[in-house]
Amino acid sequence: DTEVTQTPKHLVMGMTNKKSLKCEQHMGHRAMYWYKQKAKKPPELMFVYSYEKLSINESVPSRFSPECPNSSLLNLHLHALQPEDSALYLCASSQDEYGGPGTEAFFGQGTRLTVV
Amino acid sequence: GESVGLHLPTLSVQEGDNSIINCAYSNSASDYFIWYKQESGKGPQFIIDIRSNMDKRQGQRVTVLLNKTVKHLSLQIAATQPGDSAVYFCAENFGNEKLTFGTGTRLTIIP
Repeated sequence: DTEVTQTPKHLVMGMTNKKSLKCEQHMGHRAMYWYKQKAKKPPELMFVYSYEKLSINESVPSRFSPECPNSSLLNLHLHALQPEDSALYLCASSQDEYGGPGTEAFFGQGTRLTVV
Repeated sequence: GESVGLHLPTLSVQEGDNSIINCAYSNSASDYFIWYKQESGKGPQFIIDIRSNMDKRQGQRVTVLLNKTVKHLSLQIAATQPGDSAVYFCAENFGNEKLTFGTGTRLTIIP
């Protein structure tokens, strides 16, 4: 199994809603990531979890709250989002948190989020 | 500051020809580079990687070249096929969890 699975594929939410994005991998990877990608732009790193602990937060607003319940799961809790938060949210995982061959990140298909 | 950039935002290539996608980086401390392919509506897909102690690496129909002197990276795709149409990103790693993506090049294959 070399897949990173994200649910839901599409999500429309109001600015007062609370929702969660989910990500799952069964490759035994120890690092998991959330990226945000706006249209026609490269992915931008949001959070990194290494061995289930938050290791990087790229100054993401608190309306985005990550959670890593176990080594296979990664959630992103959303609350009071703004329309400009509409984007493709990508989850990725890698074998280890350090760069180099064998630690390349595998991406899920993403959740297309629209905030209305 | 550090940045990873691409010379051309779009590239159109005749089917069967070879494609070359270029990428410039500015951080001489970067030690690991990855090329990703992203098709419409999908997440980035790993293509090939290269470490800074290498100049060239080959995969199936793809070759990555690294020129550290001019901080330049290229992806060569041989005998391009319609399925190669996508946006290609180079990404840079400094030996930690942080992967920095370049701006991307859209490759269009002309039948």
